[in-house]
Amino acid sequence: GDSVTQMEGPVTLSEEACLTINCTYTATGYPSLFWYVQYPGEGLQLLLKATKADDKGSNKGFEATYRKETTSFHLEKGSVQVSDSAVYFCALSDLKPISSGGSYIPTFGRGTSLIVHP
Amino acid sequence: ETGVTQTPRHLVMGMTNKKSLKCEQHLGHNAMYWYKQSAKKPLELMFVYSLEERVENNSVPSRFSPECPNSSHLFLHLHTLQPEDSALYLCASSQDWTSGTDEQYFGPGTRLTVT
Repeated sequence: GDSVTQMEGPVTLSEEACLTINCTYTATGYPSLFWYVQYPGEGLQLLLKATKADDKGSNKGFEATYRKETTSFHLEKGSVQVSDSAVYFCALSDLKPISSGGSYIPTFGRGTSLIVHP
Repeated sequence: ETGVTQTPRHLVMGMTNKKSLKCEQHLGHNAMYWYKQSAKKPLELMFVYSLEERVENNSVPSRFSPECPNSSHLFLHLHTLQPEDSALYLCASSQDWTSGTDEQYFGPGTRLTVT
């Protein structure tokens, strides 16, 4: 079945440091890939996505490139801020057979907590 | 109200109580989802509704009972819960669950504590 593996946290950085959060996946089909972010006390919100190989998703200074050959979608940011402190979830959406047909039900990683100190 | 709203935001209930969680989406989406988020565990998909019809139920215990009266509203009815059911319950919606490129929009969640 499909799965998403993220690096364990917490990741602790000083402000303006570089960030990389690793994400690898296994999928039976050709999935779309997503990064969601969850700020304290809130639900998840989409950060960026990529729908085909070599696509680069970007938003708020974060980037991730869909690497089909390495089945990876690592999240990067060149200079983090205190306000980036949150939990980051990698996810994929792949076609799954269900009793009434096919569906694209997402699979989420366990989440990686990022703590940025001033 | 915009986006996905959930009420209540916090709920404490005893194991013999009956309560309901409510979710409303103001986005005109066709699919709605319930997730359970527990500490140090992956996000668990519980139920999926598409156009008010339940299309996925991930082997959730019968003490959780979903209801989707229309495409904008989703309920989770709770009865005789166990302490291990304490978690953050998240509602989400998406435009079209048959599209693999659509993202999900999440509500802020209901923090449930079972005593």
